[in-house]
Amino acid sequence: ETGVTQTPRHLVMGMTNKKSLKCEQHLGHNAMYWYKQSAKKPLELMFVYSLEERVENNSVPSRFSPECPNSSHLFLHLHTLQPEDSALYLCASSQATGSINYEQYFGPGTRLTVT
Amino acid sequence: AQTVTQSQPEMSVQEAETVTLSCTYDTSENNYYLFWYKQPPSRQMILVIRQEAYKQQNATENRFSVNFQKAAKSFSLKISDSQLGDTAMYFCAFMNPPFVAGSYQLTFGKGTKLSVIP
Repeated sequence: ETGVTQTPRHLVMGMTNKKSLKCEQHLGHNAMYWYKQSAKKPLELMFVYSLEERVENNSVPSRFSPECPNSSHLFLHLHTLQPEDSALYLCASSQATGSINYEQYFGPGTRLTVT
Repeated sequence: AQTVTQSQPEMSVQEAETVTLSCTYDTSENNYYLFWYKQPPSRQMILVIRQEAYKQQNATENRFSVNFQKAAKSFSLKISDSQLGDTAMYFCAFMNPPFVAGSYQLTFGKGTKLSVIP
């Protein structure tokens, strides 16, 4: 285990539902990330929070809404998703940029299926 | 923008043998970081090895070593004495240095699926 946990591990939701993904890190890091992993595509960075401020938002549709209430927790709020949003959503954490310890540690992911 | 290319979608190796996974990247930066991550089936992605571009010496971690060719923008991973537990997807990734635009972003290749055969 890497010290990064994600819940739920599996989620099936309809296109009109609202759900949230949760990530928690126990590593004392102060930067957290959301990635999307789709079949046959490279991992795509969605959002980055450093010191609880959003520093990256890579043209992600507004139906994905991140929240970082503190340096240990990260949420991804989902609403009115599309079937093409079905994927594995990975959370990661690291020390903030400029640190000598910059490796990102990943959680196990949430397998999301949109029906 | 940086790109990372892994030209081998799938590979296999006999247990106890050596295998090399290829990775090339494109960047205009002089200093940056390179990583290999491993994602076993239905398990978490974990860091295997990292390399700072300013270091000429190739990184090694037990049975894992890299061949970093900066001029060629090549970063291959060698796994010696392959074990069944090495079966996984392997991702090559690139990161800009601190304080450069997008310095948080890990750019990943599409991955190589490695199967270790008993």
